[in-house]
Amino acid sequence: DGGITQSPKYLFRKEGQNVTLSCEQNLNHDAMYWYRQDPGQGLRLIYYSQIVNDFQKGDIAEGYSVSREKKESFPLTVTSAQKNPTAFYLCASSIGGTGTGELFFGEGSRLTVL
Amino acid sequence: GENVEQHPSTLSVQEGDSAVIKCTYSDSASNYFPWYKQELGKRPQLIIDIRSNVGEKKDQRIAVTLNKTAKHFSLHITETQPEDSAVYFCAASIWNNDMRFGAGTRLTVKP
Repeated sequence: DGGITQSPKYLFRKEGQNVTLSCEQNLNHDAMYWYRQDPGQGLRLIYYSQIVNDFQKGDIAEGYSVSREKKESFPLTVTSAQKNPTAFYLCASSIGGTGTGELFFGEGSRLTVL
Repeated sequence: GENVEQHPSTLSVQEGDSAVIKCTYSDSASNYFPWYKQELGKRPQLIIDIRSNVGEKKDQRIAVTLNKTAKHFSLHITETQPEDSAVYFCAASIWNNDMRFGAGTRLTVKP
């Protein structure tokens, strides 16, 4: 069953802790993305990667880090430097780069900072 | 960079009526305009998209129109049904660059 899988679905974190959100895809897509979704603000791009071992900052990259060591995996680390990390995080992938076609989204990870 | 504005933020219609959601974009170089539907608790899914060389595209009850001169594009849903209730996002993108999303429109279709 092809698709994009995010884990965990729900995550609670204490202030000052780093957390890593997993994103795996078996669609053989080149490009992968991380978006943050807050109520009334749409989807804001955190990072994206067009190919393995390369990634670019989006609009709100501060306090986040990513890696792309394998084509199918694009984990996102929310660091303690992120001042307001409580949000819904969506991972996506596409065959080519942005603007080339459909984004396929995972089911999301909801992070709550206690 | 590209800025996408979406209106209205909420829209309530009676079943069977039409619904229209409008978006404007700022960068005239944008050439790809998708629309995503996100049902409650689910992932966003593409429902229709249009490229800058086309003025209108239809798929059954949904259609998208693009006015490049005015830099706006719209989603039209006809004969709305309760299952159309969701949050709809527009987006604009330049080939192989950032894709920017609008803030979303929560559509409610009343039976």
